Amino acid sequence: ELKVEQNPLFLSMQEGKNYTIYCNYSTTSDRLYWYRQDPGKSLESLFVLLSNGAVKQEGRLMASLDTKARLSTLHITAAVHDLSATYFCAVDPGTYKYIFGTGTRLKVLA
Amino acid sequence: NAGVTQTPKFQVLKTGQSMTLQCAQDMNHNSMYWYRQDPGMGLRLIYYSASEGTTDKGEVPNGYNVSRLNKREFSLRLESAAPSQTSVYFCASKGNFQDSRDSNQPQHFGDGTRLSIL
Repeated sequence: ELKVEQNPLFLSMQEGKNYTIYCNYSTTSDRLYWYRQDPGKSLESLFVLLSNGAVKQEGRLMASLDTKARLSTLHITAAVHDLSATYFCAVDPGTYKYIFGTGTRLKVLA
Repeated sequence: NAGVTQTPKFQVLKTGQSMTLQCAQDMNHNSMYWYRQDPGMGLRLIYYSASEGTTDKGEVPNGYNVSRLNKREFSLRLESAAPSQTSVYFCASKGNFQDSRDSNQPQHFGDGTRLSIL
């Protein structure tokens, strides 16, 4: 059974600090996705990671993928309040049955 | 661009009532999905449709049925609602898995339907 685990589940951090969210998955995967969800809103795509060693950056967020370790990371640099949201990783095992992590709720404190 | 449109946005039902959640996409996507989101559990796949005319079970299909009415529309039906089906339901779509350009794209999500069953 394919499992996707994110940690931490909750993260409260000060503005200006750096932190990393981890996404571990239990089987081989063709693709890995990161999404952001604001409270009461839909999911917004952040990154699509397609191969081992892939790194994508957008603003203060950087995502990477290590397929050998079955690990993806979402690194936050110099956090700002606007980054407060819930972040999900999702794994595409090569079928249509995407598996989502449980999400990491990030709160950035001023 | 409307993207993925879900109706209704909110609904309250009594146990045993039936209801259909509607989803339509205007991106000419082949595959469509229904998820439910519950606190602390991420999104769980209920049913998906790889292409027009096909549907398949996901992780949590019990208590639900789906219809892929045409390429644009994919509906989710609760025949006899139960309190355990109280959740937020998201519809999503994605391009053609056999097209390398589309297969590398993310899913596009609707705004969700917040469903409460009393």
